[in-house]
Amino acid sequence: DQQVKQNSPSLSVQEGRISILNCDYTNSMFDYFLWYKKYPAEGPTFLISISSIKDKNEDGRFTVFLNKSAKHLSLHIVPSQPGDSAVYFCAAGSGSGNTPLVFGKGTRLSVIA
Amino acid sequence: NAGVTQTPKFQVLKTGQSMTLQCAQDMNHNSMYWYRQDPGMGLRLIYYSASEGTTDKGEVPNGYNVSRLNKREFSLRLESAAPSQTSVYFCASSEGRGNYGYTFGSGTRLTVV
Repeated sequence: DQQVKQNSPSLSVQEGRISILNCDYTNSMFDYFLWYKKYPAEGPTFLISISSIKDKNEDGRFTVFLNKSAKHLSLHIVPSQPGDSAVYFCAAGSGSGNTPLVFGKGTRLSVIA
Repeated sequence: NAGVTQTPKFQVLKTGQSMTLQCAQDMNHNSMYWYRQDPGMGLRLIYYSASEGTTDKGEVPNGYNVSRLNKREFSLRLESAAPSQTSVYFCASSEGRGNYGYTFGSGTRLTVV
């Protein structure tokens, strides 16, 4: 049973527009959420995170929104740039951080110039 | 600063052969992880080590063994490789104890023929 779901395998967006990547989770014990970005032939790199005590976290062009009642989070990229083209993984963790993160299947974002 | 180093980067094995994937981190992190990435499956946890001297199974441990050699090194062994183990393997590390930031290596692409 997938605890972290990214239902859109791919997304295409024009340069300069907003990219919205979605993630749903089923485990109500999750209290920390992260987004990782992955380019081909490289390992995933940390992008942005949010704790369950917040509903929004912003870092430059990237904002993550958390809706705990819906068990849903989203990553907004504004404005989108061609260099943002990558696979984005949503991840969730719980407790003290001693249990490993659970990752979604990823969404491939293509930003078209 | 190397971060997480994985060797080898590429490997082709014949069915039934054995091999060990090496991982080393230089960030003095407590926790280390092995994930595999397959198309459409995202990142799935194979084994992890919350601290030196401990190892635990993840979601897909069958066919693998691990060794936490010391605080820096965490190896993954395939005793008798099978075509189903063709994948990209990522090692990651984190401070643990409430810190969720994972640093990933660049991956090992393994093909079993």
